[in-house]
Amino acid sequence: KAGVTQTPRYLIKTRGQQVTLSCSPISGHRSVSWYQQTPGQGLQFLFEYFSETQRNKGNFPGRFSGRQFSNSRSEMNVSTLELGDSALYLCASSLSGGEGYQETQYFGPGTRLLVL
Amino acid sequence: SQQGEEDPQALSIQEGENATMNCSYKTSINNLQWYRQNSGRGLVHLILIRSNEREKHSGRLRVTLDTSKKSSSLLITASRAADTASYFCATIHTGANSKLTFGKGITLSVRP
Repeated sequence: KAGVTQTPRYLIKTRGQQVTLSCSPISGHRSVSWYQQTPGQGLQFLFEYFSETQRNKGNFPGRFSGRQFSNSRSEMNVSTLELGDSALYLCASSLSGGEGYQETQYFGPGTRLLVL
Repeated sequence: SQQGEEDPQALSIQEGENATMNCSYKTSINNLQWYRQNSGRGLVHLILIRSNEREKHSGRLRVTLDTSKKSSSLLITASRAADTASYFCATIHTGANSKLTFGKGITLSVRP
């Protein structure tokens, strides 16, 4: 099976712009989670989608949003970009997740976003 | 914060030696996972240990979990230069669905 893919791999934006990142999960996986990685804050959970619904949300401002399509592909959007949004954005997929969760999450290569 | 903590923050060893990394967490968990990351790339899943397990092996990896002390250790035996990477422990806390809470990571350098 193909792994988790993320596009684009690299992105340069300026403050105030918006950006959309895409994630295609492993075939058959229905849960997609997004994480932000920065040198200062480390890896932080953004949100998780399952069956086109946001099931879990981290502590990020409303500028960060996402969605999931019927084929489980997911996008995340960041509006009004700030310098501090520069980070590696990782998405991860798993079969179904949920309470009593014991599944492995498989990560994509990430999208490196630089905000100037 | 529920974020776990790993120690040491950095570890440098000679090829062939064993590397031991520790992780502590604060609240009850469903499971604990270890990941590896090379040079800011994606995370590679190494091993998952459930809260009712005490030890697990996978190739040269051995993971232990002590839920009474809220701690875990990852042992890499007979290390290789290719093991040079950052290692993260991540926990699924009870009631958190599939949300992984990561530690800050350990930088392992294996000298050839």
